[in-house]
Amino acid sequence: NAGVTQTPKFQVLKTGQSMTLQCAQDMNHNSMYWYRQDPGMGLRLIYYSASEGTTDKGEVPNGYNVSRLNKREFSLRLESAAPSQTSVYFCASRPDRRSGNTIYFGEGSWLTVV
Amino acid sequence: AQSVTQLDSQVPVFEEAPVELRCNYSSSVSVYLFWYVQYPNQGLQLLLKYLSGSTLVESINGFEAEFNKSQTSFHLRKPSVHISDTAEYFCAVSDLEGMDSNYQLIWGAGTKLIIKP
Repeated sequence: NAGVTQTPKFQVLKTGQSMTLQCAQDMNHNSMYWYRQDPGMGLRLIYYSASEGTTDKGEVPNGYNVSRLNKREFSLRLESAAPSQTSVYFCASRPDRRSGNTIYFGEGSWLTVV
Repeated sequence: AQSVTQLDSQVPVFEEAPVELRCNYSSSVSVYLFWYVQYPNQGLQLLLKYLSGSTLVESINGFEAEFNKSQTSFHLRKPSVHISDTAEYFCAVSDLEGMDSNYQLIWGAGTKLIIKP
């Protein structure tokens, strides 16, 4: 019963390096999300995807790109990492509104940019 | 635009004492309301939610929250806390309108519940 799986769990990057955070869900959900969590700021939406093939910007998209590869997978890419992107990143998914409104989260990815 | 305010960033409380975590929201439309819990070094998980019907909703581990439309509040309460309740609690709101394509949750900043032995 995997739910939402994201990798890696921990990563240290140097400024300017690139990396991709991977996310997959096995619940056949249409919508997927990437959030970042910073102390005292709660969750901020980076990008979301309401269905396969569509992506939209959230509150803080600058410096990130996403790909909804298929219904299961939604990746987040940092093209040129900056120290301001040090954060905990959460992937999440949700069924359509008729099936319920609960969002299911992954375990998180701790990213440090030095 | 919708917004969520969690009035306390931290709430320290003695074990077995009651606790209330406050959440207020603003919205021009009818809403769904949620409380999520985040245990240390884990992702968030749903604690309870209000969609419609009874304004008092309960979780399986003894928490309850009451939707108060006139005060636009959804405070979380527990009559007796345990050390295992140590976590960060997030209030969130979404509107009943709109399409799946733009459905989002608006999150509060979170409240850390600190249980003192």
